[in-house]
Amino acid sequence: EAQVTQNPRYLITVTGKKLTVTCSQNMNHEYMSWYRQDPGLGLRQIYYSMNVEVTDKGDVPEGYKVSRKEKRNFPLILESPSPNQTSLYFCASRGFSNYGYTFGSGTRLTVV
Amino acid sequence: AQSVTQLDSQVPVFEEAPVELRCNYSSSVSVYLFWYVQYPNQGLQLLLKYLSGSTLVESINGFEAEFNKSQTSFHLRKPSVHISDTAEYFCAVSDQDDYKLSFGAGTTVTVRA
Repeated sequence: EAQVTQNPRYLITVTGKKLTVTCSQNMNHEYMSWYRQDPGLGLRQIYYSMNVEVTDKGDVPEGYKVSRKEKRNFPLILESPSPNQTSLYFCASRGFSNYGYTFGSGTRLTVV
Repeated sequence: AQSVTQLDSQVPVFEEAPVELRCNYSSSVSVYLFWYVQYPNQGLQLLLKYLSGSTLVESINGFEAEFNKSQTSFHLRKPSVHISDTAEYFCAVSDQDDYKLSFGAGTTVTVRA
């Protein structure tokens, strides 16, 4: 089944403790992206990647890092999480030759 | 990149009544248009999309949306809603020469009996 898999689904952590949210897709998609969803703001893009070793900032990149060492994986790294990063996070992917975006199930992160 | 405006943040509606969710985007360049639905405590599901061709697109569960290029709009409608349509709905737009998908702030639809 074609899918984007995010882990974990839920995470509660403390301020300053580094964490990684994983994202993996099995569709050989070139484009991958991370979004955060906050009430009243919709989804805002954090980072995106056009292909392996090619990443760039989205609209709200502060406090986040990403890497794209393999085509299928696009982890989101929070080096020093803060409470304002409490949010619902979505990973998405898309192939260059199709127009459909596939989203993961989401990761609900709480930073206390 | 596009800016997307969903004109209503909350839409309460009675069961079997019609509903319209409004969406406008910022630029009249060639675009791809999407509506996503998020049921309570779930992820995003694609409801329908416009890529090209007929300006009226339909979903399998009775929703339809019409692309209006001159008004840069992609409003979503359903003639008769069910309780199960209670959800948050997001309009999203992508320029045809870009991969970024820009979202509106969302419209929460609450259907009451």
